[in-house]
Amino acid sequence: AQTVTQSQPEMSVQEAETVTLSCTYDTSESDYYLFWYKQPPSRQMILVIRQEAYKQQNATENRFSVNFQKAAKSFSLKISDSQLGDAAMYFCAYRSTGNQFYFGTGTSLTVIP
Amino acid sequence: DTAVSQTPKYLVTQMGNDKSIKCEQNLGHDTMYWYKQDSKKFLKIMFSYNNKELIINETVPNRFSPKSPDKAHLNLHINSLELGDSAVYFCASSQGGATVVDTQYFGPGTRLTVL
Repeated sequence: AQTVTQSQPEMSVQEAETVTLSCTYDTSESDYYLFWYKQPPSRQMILVIRQEAYKQQNATENRFSVNFQKAAKSFSLKISDSQLGDAAMYFCAYRSTGNQFYFGTGTSLTVIP
Repeated sequence: DTAVSQTPKYLVTQMGNDKSIKCEQNLGHDTMYWYKQDSKKFLKIMFSYNNKELIINETVPNRFSPKSPDKAHLNLHINSLELGDSAVYFCASSQGGATVVDTQYFGPGTRLTVL
């Protein structure tokens, strides 16, 4: 079974600085998708970024980028120029070829003004 | 335009009652999901459902049952509510299919409190 591990329950970053959230996963599949979701206090789950496993190039969305290491089964999220609005719970998720989604336990990010 | 909507947003009820949470998506997706998020923020999938298949997480009590009147709706029925059912419940949808680049879109969540 696939598992997703986020080893950092809490992280903090100074406004305008860069922070990296870690995520590792376990799978025997070769084709899959990885996601980072953001959950602000409003509770809405918001897609931040998506990575297809067959793509070697790391996904980037404005200030958000990932470091995808397929062999190491690692999928970290880098947030550059952190803003107060980035404060939220961040979930790493894995989607299998059978369309099953597995979520990590989340990392709570605090942005310090 | 709301892509995935849930009603109600908040639900407070007594132990032993039966309640339903409704979910609708206007994205034309084939697959819908229900998740439970506990007080520690852990997100656990309960069901995934499309026109062909209902996949149930085996740890979900049979007091919970999804009902889908059509492709755009997946409601969650809970019988004989227990204190431990208090949580935030999220509905989500995705295009579905193993070969489709897929992303889940979440509803705003329903906070259920069982007294």
